[in-house]
Amino acid sequence: GEQVEQRPPHLSVREGDSAVITCTYTDPNSYYFFWYKQEPGASLQLLMKVFSSTEINEGQGFTVLLNKKDKRLSLNLTAAHPGDSAAYFCAVSPSSFSKLVFGQGTSLSVVP
Amino acid sequence: DMKVTQMPRYLIKRMGENVLLECGQDMSHETMYWYRQDPGLGLQLIYISYDVDSNSEGDIPKGYRVSRKKREHFSLILDSAKTNQTSVYFCASSLSGGGSQNTLYFGAGTRLSVL
Repeated sequence: GEQVEQRPPHLSVREGDSAVITCTYTDPNSYYFFWYKQEPGASLQLLMKVFSSTEINEGQGFTVLLNKKDKRLSLNLTAAHPGDSAAYFCAVSPSSFSKLVFGQGTSLSVVP
Repeated sequence: DMKVTQMPRYLIKRMGENVLLECGQDMSHETMYWYRQDPGLGLQLIYISYDVDSNSEGDIPKGYRVSRKKREHFSLILDSAKTNQTSVYFCASSLSGGGSQNTLYFGAGTRLSVL
C-alpha cells in the first residue's frame, strides 16, 4: 500500500527565514494531497488541499509544490514567523477508496 | 459552526480497566475515524466508520473496538486497557470516504494514560 515519508522530523529556523518540509510517497496514482497544521496541544487544522493536476499552490505565507515525477510533495513557508511554530503533517489519498496516509510529522520551531 | 467534539480531553486509567472515548460531529458527515498519535509515528488509523453500524478496521485495530449507532456519534472502546495504549487519540470526520471529499475535520484529541 501507499507509504509516505516526511522529512525532516524537526526543523528550527529564524524568524524571516524560509522553512521547507518534504514528503515522498510511493503510489503513482495518488491524486489528493493535504497539509495539516497542529499547534501545541491542539487539533489538526487543514492548511491546504492539493490536487495532482496542479503543481504549484499558494496560500497565505506558504507554497505547496507537487512533483509527480519524483512523487514528492513539499511545503515551503516563506518568511516564517513565530506563529508558524507547530507540527505539520502531510497526507496522501491513494487510489484506493477512503484511507488517507499520513506522514510522520515535522515539528517546526521559528525562533525570533 | 462545524465541529468535532471529543470527550473526555484527558483520562487516566489503570491497566485492565475499560475505556470509553466518545466523539460527536455536527456536520452530518457520513464517515468518521479514530486515530492515535504517538511521537515520531504520525497518525495511525485505528478504525473507519462509513455510516451507522458500518465499521472497518484501520491499520492498528488490535485491542480496540468501535460503536456507531447514530451518524453523529462514534465511540472507541478499549476493553482491558494496556499500558502501550497510552497515547493521544483523535477522532475525525469527513463528508464521505473517498476522493476530493476526503478532507478530514479533527477533534481536539483525548490524551489517555494507562498506568
